[in-house]
Amino acid sequence: KAGVTQTPRYLIKTRGQQVTLSCSPISGHRSVSWYQQTPGQGLQFLFEYFSETQRNKGNFPGRFSGRQFSNSRSEMNVSTLELGDSALYLCASSLSAGGLVDRNEQFFGPGTRLTVL
Amino acid sequence: AQTVTQSQPEMSVQEAETVTLSCTYDTSENNYYLFWYKQPPSRQMILVIRQEAYKQQNATENRFSVNFQKAAKSFSLKISDSQLGDTAMYFCACFSGYALNFGKGTSLLVTP
Repeated sequence: KAGVTQTPRYLIKTRGQQVTLSCSPISGHRSVSWYQQTPGQGLQFLFEYFSETQRNKGNFPGRFSGRQFSNSRSEMNVSTLELGDSALYLCASSLSAGGLVDRNEQFFGPGTRLTVL
Repeated sequence: AQTVTQSQPEMSVQEAETVTLSCTYDTSENNYYLFWYKQPPSRQMILVIRQEAYKQQNATENRFSVNFQKAAKSFSLKISDSQLGDTAMYFCACFSGYALNFGKGTSLLVTP
């Protein structure tokens, strides 16, 4: 079974631009979560999607948004990029959004390295 | 709110030796899961081991085992017979609702 895939793997943008990152979960997984990883703040939760609906959101400004499609693939968008948005963005999928038992085991993709100049 | 603390930013161990990585956490939830993830230089986050909070028995996975002290909110990872391929960042994480809360990580270097 193929793992979580993320595209692109590397991205360079300039301040003020916007960017869209893509994540394809493991086949059969319906929940997709996004995390931002920076040297200063570590790993921080961005949001979680299940059945095309955002179920939970971390403490990030509205410039960060996402969506999920009917095939469970997810995209996240960052508008009006700032230098501080430079980070590794990780996507993780889990089997379902049912009880804690199913939701807790998350499988991570390789990440997208975003550099904002 | 949950917090996860890893007090050892860097550690090193010689090949074939045993090393223990420390982690403490704080959560108000009664039901939660604890994890150790490994992130090698390739950046792929890999699940090492998982512990259900309601289970008293410590989880083991081949050379990896944990010491889970629920009352003390401590969750340490022991790596036995360390191998060069164990060189990586190790993150402790807690899941109790909808997201993983990670510690800052411990960089482990395994030397020949």
